[in-house]
Amino acid sequence: AQTVTQSQPEMSVQEAETVTLSCTYDTSESDYYLFWYKQPPSRQMILVIRQEAYKQQNATENRFSVNFQKAAKSFSLKISDSQLGDAAMYFCAYRRMDSNYQLIWGAGTKLIIKP
Amino acid sequence: DGGITQSPKYLFRKEGQNVTLSCEQNLNHDAMYWYRQDPGQGLRLIYYSQIVNDFQKGDIAEGYSVSREKKESFPLTVTSAQKNPTAFYLCASKRGFMNTEAFFGQGTRLTVV
Repeated sequence: AQTVTQSQPEMSVQEAETVTLSCTYDTSESDYYLFWYKQPPSRQMILVIRQEAYKQQNATENRFSVNFQKAAKSFSLKISDSQLGDAAMYFCAYRRMDSNYQLIWGAGTKLIIKP
Repeated sequence: DGGITQSPKYLFRKEGQNVTLSCEQNLNHDAMYWYRQDPGQGLRLIYYSQIVNDFQKGDIAEGYSVSREKKESFPLTVTSAQKNPTAFYLCASKRGFMNTEAFFGQGTRLTVV
């Protein structure tokens, strides 16, 4: 069975600095998707970034980038130039490429931004 | 604006009562999902539906029921058989099999009193 682990329940970073959130996963599949979702205090889940496992290039979305290490089954999220609006819960999620429904979620990391 | 609307935002239920959580989307998405979120845990799938009049159990379907009579609507009923219903419930939708991104509603916080 696939699992997703986020080992950092909480992280804090000074505004304008860079922070990296960790995520590891376990799967025997070779093709899959990985996601980072953000859940701000409003509780709505917002997609931050996604990575297809067959792509070697790390995904980037503005200040957000990932370090995808397929062999190590690691998928960390780097947030550059942290802003107060980045404060939220961040969830890492996995989905098999042939699955329409089964998102496997990590327990989340609470990110605190210090002004 | 297109999106997913969940209502109500907060819901209180007495022991032994059934309650229904609403989820409506105007994104023309085929697939819809219900998740449960508890503190310190990731989301867990309750039910999902890929087309109208069809739905499948997820990992924690016991004590819940759903219907999908319209493409836009996927209500979740929390029955009295659900032993620990107090939680945050999130509804999501996706365009279809090939589309990878799920869009989420703002959630409903259910509390048993």
